[in-house]
Amino acid sequence: QKEVEQDPGPLSVPEGAIVSLNCTYSNSAFQYFMWYRQYSRKGPELLMYTYSSGNKEDGRFTAQVDKSSKYISLFIRDSQPSDSATYLCAMRGSTGGFKTIFGAGTRLFVKA
Amino acid sequence: KAGVTQTPRYLIKTRGQQVTLSCSPISGHRSVSWYQQTPGQGLQFLFEYFSETQRNKGNFPGRFSGRQFSNSRSEMNVSTLELGDSALYLCASSLVPDTGELFFGEGSRLTVL
Repeated sequence: QKEVEQDPGPLSVPEGAIVSLNCTYSNSAFQYFMWYRQYSRKGPELLMYTYSSGNKEDGRFTAQVDKSSKYISLFIRDSQPSDSATYLCAMRGSTGGFKTIFGAGTRLFVKA
Repeated sequence: KAGVTQTPRYLIKTRGQQVTLSCSPISGHRSVSWYQQTPGQGLQFLFEYFSETQRNKGNFPGRFSGRQFSNSRSEMNVSTLELGDSALYLCASSLVPDTGELFFGEGSRLTVL
């Protein structure tokens, strides 16, 4: 079993839809939870960064962390064609012995 | 502020050769990590360096090595290349280690023939 599980998709939605992307994990020591967006032929860029549990909102993006269920989500409101990309969840513990572990990434297509 | 710079962007090698990839982090960032990205395995952690010291290493064979210089620039080397080493190699820098707040370069795409 992988430490981080993420459905690779692809996920196709119409413009304006609310998108829900999810990851589950097995290591209860994870404290930092991130979402990265990667466009084709580019490096990943950090979208959302959360420490421990709770919600964080940034414009059209909301990240949720539920440590009791070992489940994190990214919601995209009013999705746009420019949101079409691969979304990678990532997480790590808070001490030096940990490394950042990435999910497989979910490929999202937003149709105009 | 300049981002993370990786060179070369594209390269083609043959089996058995070796390759060196370079990464210049964002100015002021002292932590550098390397990842291998392939369609089948996704992003796999290679190493993490901070202040010229390797702090963590992924599950890759000894053919994969790296180092960090006093100016925080980093290099990774792969010796005795195999076909399976074909991948996008990504470098990421962060201000400090242990946070996961990584800033990635655009990667070096290696093709091994």
